[in-house]
Amino acid sequence: EAGVAQSPRYKIIEKRQSVAFWCNPISGHATLYWYQQILGQGPKLLIQFQNNGVVDDSQLPKDRFSAERLKGVDSTLKIQPAKLEDSAVYLCASSLAFGQGYEQYFGPGTRLTVT
Amino acid sequence: QKEVEQNSGPLSVPEGAIASLNCTYSDRGSQSFFWYRQYSGKSPELIMSIYSNGDKEDGRFTAQLNKASQYVSLLIRDSQPSDSATYLCAVNPDDKIIFGKGTRLHILP
Repeated sequence: EAGVAQSPRYKIIEKRQSVAFWCNPISGHATLYWYQQILGQGPKLLIQFQNNGVVDDSQLPKDRFSAERLKGVDSTLKIQPAKLEDSAVYLCASSLAFGQGYEQYFGPGTRLTVT
Repeated sequence: QKEVEQNSGPLSVPEGAIASLNCTYSDRGSQSFFWYRQYSGKSPELIMSIYSNGDKEDGRFTAQLNKASQYVSLLIRDSQPSDSATYLCAVNPDDKIIFGKGTRLHILP
């Protein structure tokens, strides 16, 4: 079974530029998550989708971050404009469904450096 | 504010010994608990999940859960250098998972 796919793996941009990340979850997984992980910290949830609907985006900085999952499968996360503090690893994860007991599986992540 | 607390470490353990990693959480309603291993520069990898009080064993790994004390731990027996990584505790108090900051484990050859 293929795992969670993400691209690109690395991205370097200057502040105020825009960037987009792509994620394809494990086949059959209805729930997709985007996390931000800053060095030395645990993953922080940015947005959670159930199929193509948003379940939780309470920690997404909506003035600069946006995400979509139009057909309930793959998803894109965009940052526009980027700030220095957005330098982090952006992790996509998926699970069969959301709620108690559903295990999440992570993709390889995208390491973003904003200069 | 729902929190998951872990000692950041590093925790240094001799090869072949037992490594003990601990985690406490604030939400009494939490029902699902997970341990992830994260090697430097890699993404988290699920190694154990536990849902009921007591111990759950999988190979060299044992997860222990005590809901009354709001405490979950991970024991690694016969520690190997390949076990050197950051271990993330994750707790599922409602419809999302909250991660701790992780404990860095270093196995001394």
